[in-house]
Amino acid sequence: DGGITQSPKYLFRKEGQNVTLSCEQNLNHDAMYWYRQDPGQGLRLIYYSQIVNDFQKGDIAEGYSVSREKKESFPLTVTSAQKNPTAFYLCASSEGTGAQETQYFGPGTRLLVL
Amino acid sequence: QKEVEQNSGPLSVPEGAIASLNCTYSDRVSQSFFWYRQYSGKSPELIMSIYSNGDKEDGRFTAQLNKASQYVSLLIRDSQPSDSATYLCAVNLHPYSSASKIIFGSGTRLSIRP
Repeated sequence: DGGITQSPKYLFRKEGQNVTLSCEQNLNHDAMYWYRQDPGQGLRLIYYSQIVNDFQKGDIAEGYSVSREKKESFPLTVTSAQKNPTAFYLCASSEGTGAQETQYFGPGTRLLVL
Repeated sequence: QKEVEQNSGPLSVPEGAIASLNCTYSDRVSQSFFWYRQYSGKSPELIMSIYSNGDKEDGRFTAQLNKASQYVSLLIRDSQPSDSATYLCAVNLHPYSSASKIIFGSGTRLSIRP
């Protein structure tokens, strides 16, 4: 099955702890994205990567880090510097470029602070 | 002015009626427009994309685009309780520049009452 997988579905973070959210895709898409969604709000872009070994900050990158060592994988680390990490985290990948780009989403990871 | 704006709702529509969802955007040169459906606790699912002025129909869904007025709408005919969800409008802003990116509205919550 082709698609985007995210794990875990739920993640609990203790104070001062770094946690890593996994995102894998087998769609052969070049571009991948991480968004954060808070209750009743839209999607805010954290980081994105258009090609392996390259990534750019989005609108709310502080307290987060990413890597893109493989085309299929784009893990997101929520560091202890992120003071309000409780949110629904969505990974997306896209086909096409420029005006033809279309994004597809994984199932999401819900992060909760203990 | 937000780059992509939607009425947050909730929009309540009786079962069997037509639901009309609207979205306005700020960038005149935008070329790509998308509607996503997001059920509570789930990730967004792409339901329609539209690139040209006019109407595009897919089953019970019709997307309408008016670039001169900078709005895009989604009509859902014969609304069903299963259509109750939040609908996100997304626009590819600045499609011909290196700053090309897809921006999401904050979504309209639709409720279909039996």
